[in-house]
Amino acid sequence: KNQVEQSPQSLIILEGKNCTLQCNYTVSPFSNLRWYKQDTGRGPVSLTIMTFSENTKSNGRYTATLDADTKQSSLHITASQLSDSASYICVVSFHRSGYSTLTFGKGTMLLVSP
Amino acid sequence: DAGITQSPRHKVTETGTPVTLRCHQTENHRYMYWYRQDPGHGLRLIHYSYGVKDTDKGEVSDGYSVSRSKTEDFLLTLESATSSQTSVYFCAISESRRTGAYEQYFGPGTRLTVT
Repeated sequence: KNQVEQSPQSLIILEGKNCTLQCNYTVSPFSNLRWYKQDTGRGPVSLTIMTFSENTKSNGRYTATLDADTKQSSLHITASQLSDSASYICVVSFHRSGYSTLTFGKGTMLLVSP
Repeated sequence: DAGITQSPRHKVTETGTPVTLRCHQTENHRYMYWYRQDPGHGLRLIHYSYGVKDTDKGEVSDGYSVSRSKTEDFLLTLESATSSQTSVYFCAISESRRTGAYEQYFGPGTRLTVT
């Protein structure tokens, strides 16, 4: 069964500090991996998309890494801001009959404290 | 929210009543999706559409039906709402579903409570 596991479930950090969120998956055959940010009461917004051949991708203060051999990804947030408080969702895409189907993790809830 | 609106944004309804949620896009994307989001679960696909009048089931389609009569509108209907359908419903759109790194954009969500 295709699964995406994220850790930790929740995290509290002080403003200005860095943090790293983890994602492990068992999705096969792998197509790509995405990280989304979801603010409270809003829909998810894409941060990065990485294919099999990419092992690092950045979007401002967000840097995602991918190790397709160990089926692990991480999202590193640098110099956190209060606006980074949100749920971060790891999403893995797999092939099926020429189409790409998404499997969503449960998310990591990040709270950035002043 | 990438030119996607959902209506209503909040709804409270009673068990057994029919409910229709609407998703409207201004991006002219071919694919449209309905997801539900519940505590302790990742987003789960209910139904999706790959064109006008073309729809298919997702992983949690029981109790739901959909229709797409225009490119820009995708309706989700709960024929007889149950308490287990209390959830936040998200519409999403994409230009493609072919294998590859296509972007999927999400609407703002509809919070549905079935009492």
